[in-house]
Amino acid sequence: EVQLLESGGGLVQPGGSLRLSCAASGFTFSSYAMSWVRQAPGKGLEWVSFISGSGGSTYYADSVKGRFTISRDNSKNTLYLQMNSLRAEDTAVYYCAKDRGVTYYDSSGSDYWGQGTLVTVSS
Amino acid sequence: EIVLTQSPATLSLSPGERATLSCRASQSVSSYLAWYQQKPGQAPRLLIYDASNRATGIPARFSGSGSGTDFTLTISSLEPEDFAVYYCQQRSNWQYTFGQGTKLEIK
Repeated sequence: EVQLLESGGGLVQPGGSLRLSCAASGFTFSSYAMSWVRQAPGKGLEWVSFISGSGGSTYYADSVKGRFTISRDNSKNTLYLQMNSLRAEDTAVYYCAKDRGVTYYDSSGSDYWGQGTLVTVSS
Repeated sequence: EIVLTQSPATLSLSPGERATLSCRASQSVSSYLAWYQQKPGQAPRLLIYDASNRATGIPARFSGSGSGTDFTLTISSLEPEDFAVYYCQQRSNWQYTFGQGTKLEIK
C-alpha cells in the first residue's frame, strides 16, 4: 500500500525558514517523480515544485522560485521541501504527491497524495 | 504561464443526473491534462490523466475528453459521494497549473 506522510509544518515568522519532509513507502521511490502542492485556507490547489525520480531535474512555480528548494533522498525514501524567506502568502496545507511518471516528460498526474502538513507564516 | 479556467464555478445537480464540467486552457496543452476530485478535509484524488484515461480504481461513470485547449469531465449518473470540488491540472513549459475548481453541490 502506497503511503506518503508529511511532517515539519508549523508556525513560523515572516522571513523564517522551515523544512518539510515526506516519508514514502509501498512503492519503488526512485522510480517516480514527486511534487509538492499547497492549498491556502479555503482556496484552491497550487502547484509548488516537481522533482524527477533521480532528483536530477527540478522545477518551481514562479511564486516560490529562489526561495524554496525541493530535494529527495532515494536511500531514505524521503522527499523534502526547504522553504526560506517565508511570507504570509505561503500559509497553506502542503501536500506531497507521487507522480505516475519518472520524469517531467512522462508526468501525467499525481496518483497518490499525503494528508498534508499545515504551514502558518505569521508574527 | 498557461491559465486554466474552469466552468461553471458551482454546479447544482441531483443524484442520478449527468454532470458536465469544463476546463479551458489559455494555450494548447495537447493532452497533458488531469482531473482531480477533492472532498472537504481530504487530499485530492486523481480521476483522469492524459485527458481521457481513468486512473486506477475510478468508476466508469467518470470520463474525460478533449485536447488542445478545451476539456470536459463528465459524470454520467451522479452518486451521493460525487459531490465535491473538481480541479483540472496541466503541465507545459516545465510548469504545472491548476484550474480554480468547480464545486459540484447537491440540488
